[in-house]
Amino acid sequence: DTGVSQNPRHKITKRGQNVTFRCDPISEHNRLYWYRQTLGQGPEFLTYFQNEAQLEKSRLLSDRFSAERPKGSFSTLEIQRTEQGDSAMYLCASSPLASDTQYFGPGTRLTVL
Amino acid sequence: QKEVEQDPGPLSVPEGAIVSLNCTYSNSAFQYFMWYRQYSRKGPELLMYTYSSGNKEDGRFTAQVDKSSKYISLFIRDSQPSDSATYLCAMSGTGDSGGSNYKLTFGKGTLLTVNP
Repeated sequence: DTGVSQNPRHKITKRGQNVTFRCDPISEHNRLYWYRQTLGQGPEFLTYFQNEAQLEKSRLLSDRFSAERPKGSFSTLEIQRTEQGDSAMYLCASSPLASDTQYFGPGTRLTVL
Repeated sequence: QKEVEQDPGPLSVPEGAIVSLNCTYSNSAFQYFMWYRQYSRKGPELLMYTYSSGNKEDGRFTAQVDKSSKYISLFIRDSQPSDSATYLCAMSGTGDSGGSNYKLTFGKGTLLTVNP
């Protein structure tokens, strides 16, 4: 069990560019979650998957954001036409079906210039 | 008013002190309560998990939930320099199937420093 991994760990991009982040959950964890954390704030829920189905999306997830989990394993979060307000830490978590405990990855820190 | 309120601190204590961290919340639907620890530039790590009201103890850590007051606490006994981190409270409501709805709502976090 190597824990939740996220790539890249850091991403610097220019406003207007598209970015994609990847999350690899703990093996055999059916549920996968995305959160966003800005400086001095707690994480904010964005969306979650059970296997490949996206079951809930926050209103924070604007039209520029899209998340996928095509085979029920890894997930990607894409942000199109990035804005400076998108600068944040993007956290991924996973949990098994039989538990409510969410295990977090190290996050991807996005800076939009 | 935010759903979950947490004093951001910072809180600085000497080694060996008892630390008390608190959160209040406004949403009476919250049933599942958690405390996470987050070191700088790392993801949150689950410390304690409780369902509904009551106390739970795990080593030096004790979590308390008072649903009537919408107030939760985390106590750290014999605090150590390695406890220096940001402590986040988190909570969730009940989903359609009766368990957690998995959407965690976090407080802002309290930055704790334990001085040797």
